[in-house]
Amino acid sequence: KQEVTQIPAALSVPEGENLVLNCSFTDSAIYNLQWFRQDPGKGLTSLLLIQSSQREQTSGRLNASLDKSSGRSTLYIAASQPGDSATYLCAVMRNRDDKIIFGKGTRLHILP
Amino acid sequence: GAGVSQTPSNKVTEKGKYVELRCDPISGHTALYWYRQSLGQGPEFLIYFQGTGAADDSGLPNDRFFAVRPEGSVSTLKIQRTERGDSAVYLCASSPRRDAGSVQYFGPGTRLTVL
Repeated sequence: KQEVTQIPAALSVPEGENLVLNCSFTDSAIYNLQWFRQDPGKGLTSLLLIQSSQREQTSGRLNASLDKSSGRSTLYIAASQPGDSATYLCAVMRNRDDKIIFGKGTRLHILP
Repeated sequence: GAGVSQTPSNKVTEKGKYVELRCDPISGHTALYWYRQSLGQGPEFLIYFQGTGAADDSGLPNDRFFAVRPEGSVSTLKIQRTERGDSAVYLCASSPRRDAGSVQYFGPGTRLTVL
């Protein structure tokens, strides 16, 4: 059974710092991995999607890496801003027709 | 452009009552998903529609939960004899198709509270 774990559960950092959020998954036979952002009372916004054949994806100040063999992914946020404060969720799709399994998320707070 | 919308945004009901939650996907999206998110948890898959048919309902917790999508667009999640443990945010998502390269677009959710 696929399980997704995110560490830390919560993180507070001063504005301007670079930071890394971690995600691990127990079954390396994944088809893709996504990072989502969730703001309070809002739905999820997909930030980055990494196919199993890829090692990383970048969008602006965000960079996500994937190491399938070790069952790990990281989301790197450069030059953090107060507007980055949100919950970040990692999710994996085990194969093409399988459902997405989410982690519990990391609650990020950027201190002005 | 219009995203995924869900109504109501909040629903408070009493134990034992019947509720319906509605999802309007992005126009033209054939795939539609329902998830349930409890406090402090990530979303958990409930059911997936491809067009009008439920292609995967393995996440529905029991037979009190049922979902329909009769015309391949709007979907309704129905919960009978609600229990306090059903309290959660119910999220709907749609995508142009269901495959590994297709991003799911999420609605804001319906917060269900069962008293």
